[in-house]
Amino acid sequence: DIQLTQSPSFLSASVGDRVTITCRASQGISSYLAWYQQKPGKAPKLLIYAASTLQSGVPSRFSGSGSGTEFTLTISSLQPEDFATYYCQQLNSYPFTFGPGTKVDIK
Amino acid sequence: QVTLKESGPVLVKPTETLTLTCTVSGFSLSNARMGVSWIRQPPGKALEWLAHIFSNDEKSYSTSLKSRLTISKDTSKSQVVLTMTNMDPVDTATYYCARIIAFWSGQYYYYGMDVWGQGTTVTVSS
Repeated sequence: DIQLTQSPSFLSASVGDRVTITCRASQGISSYLAWYQQKPGKAPKLLIYAASTLQSGVPSRFSGSGSGTEFTLTISSLQPEDFATYYCQQLNSYPFTFGPGTKVDIK
Repeated sequence: QVTLKESGPVLVKPTETLTLTCTVSGFSLSNARMGVSWIRQPPGKALEWLAHIFSNDEKSYSTSLKSRLTISKDTSKSQVVLTMTNMDPVDTATYYCARIIAFWSGQYYYYGMDVWGQGTTVTVSS
């Protein structure tokens, strides 16, 4: 199975900050990576697929990059509604594993 | 409007079999670019992908849970069913179903889970 790690596990940031989350895969997955946002008590929401393609309706302050084994999710200017947990998921090969998550909290 | 809704028991006893149903609307389970995945999340923990089924009946399972899981679909009823045998307290979690869709990039198809159900909480306890 392909393992995903995320760093940091937790980050504290302020409104307006630029935030970057890293996801690393245990083997190359080309660009078959998605990012999700989950708020407490809610289902996850798809933000990005194909490593860098913004899902319809997602604000442009979110962006993704990377290929192979290293990927990043960037929020260019953190907004109050962005405080949540973010997960990466590889969809290159079965099983479609998730990363452990990164919780973004208010400083 | 695309929606998915999970249903099933709230409480199951250890060793019992859990049966969850995902009822979808707004799309067909026979659509070639789509399928349904099951994902779970224990309280306070990360998401765990469990299984999926595509329109052509292609199925895949979590490696660690493969021996306990069965996924199936009834296209006419717009339902996907997941069964998990030999339930244990560690299986206590919120179980989600989600649509998995193949997005065309112009060169390749890329997958993503674009619509999720609200989740159903299952507690395993005697």
